[in-house]
Amino acid sequence: EAQVTQNPRYLITVTGKKLTVTCSQNMNHEYMSWYRQDPGLGLRQIYYSMNVEVTDKGDVPEGYKVSRKEKRNFPLILESPSPNQTSLYFCASRSVGGNSYNSPLHFGNGTRLTVT
Amino acid sequence: GDSVTQMEGPVTLSEEAFLTINCTYTATGYPSLFWYVQYPGEGLQLLLKATKADDKGSNKGFEATYRKETTSFHLEKGSVQVSDSAVYFCALRSGGSNYKLTFGKGTLLTVNP
Repeated sequence: EAQVTQNPRYLITVTGKKLTVTCSQNMNHEYMSWYRQDPGLGLRQIYYSMNVEVTDKGDVPEGYKVSRKEKRNFPLILESPSPNQTSLYFCASRSVGGNSYNSPLHFGNGTRLTVT
Repeated sequence: GDSVTQMEGPVTLSEEAFLTINCTYTATGYPSLFWYVQYPGEGLQLLLKATKADDKGSNKGFEATYRKETTSFHLEKGSVQVSDSAVYFCALRSGGSNYKLTFGKGTLLTVNP
């Protein structure tokens, strides 16, 4: 089954304790991206990656890092989490080659992070 | 920059009622427009899309028409069901190398039997 898998689904941590949220897709998609969803703000893009070893900032990258060492994986790293990073995080991917101009963005089921 | 404004929720309807969720946008050029749906505990799923002016996207009884003159992409359904209860997001994608979607804030729809 084609899917984007995020882990963990729920995470509670304390300020300053480094954490990683994993994201993996099995559709051989070139493009992957991270969004955060906050009440009253909708979804905002954190980082994106056009392919392996190619990453760039989205609209709200502060406090986050990403890496893209393999095509299927795109982990989100919070080196020193703070309470304002408490949010619902979504990973997404899509194909970008060939006739895929209007291919949909496929989303994972989300990771709810609480930083105390 | 790009922005999407959609009607504030929550919206509560009875089964078989008519649904409209308004969406207007601001963008440079000619964006593609989307409606995504988020069921409880799940990620977002594409509901429908339109890529150029006057296109009508449709899926599962939902429809939306790309209106360039009014910069709108309102979502409609003639007869909602309890299973349509979800959060609905309007989104756009402008050109460029980043396939970023710009989302509205979402509208929570609750359909009662």
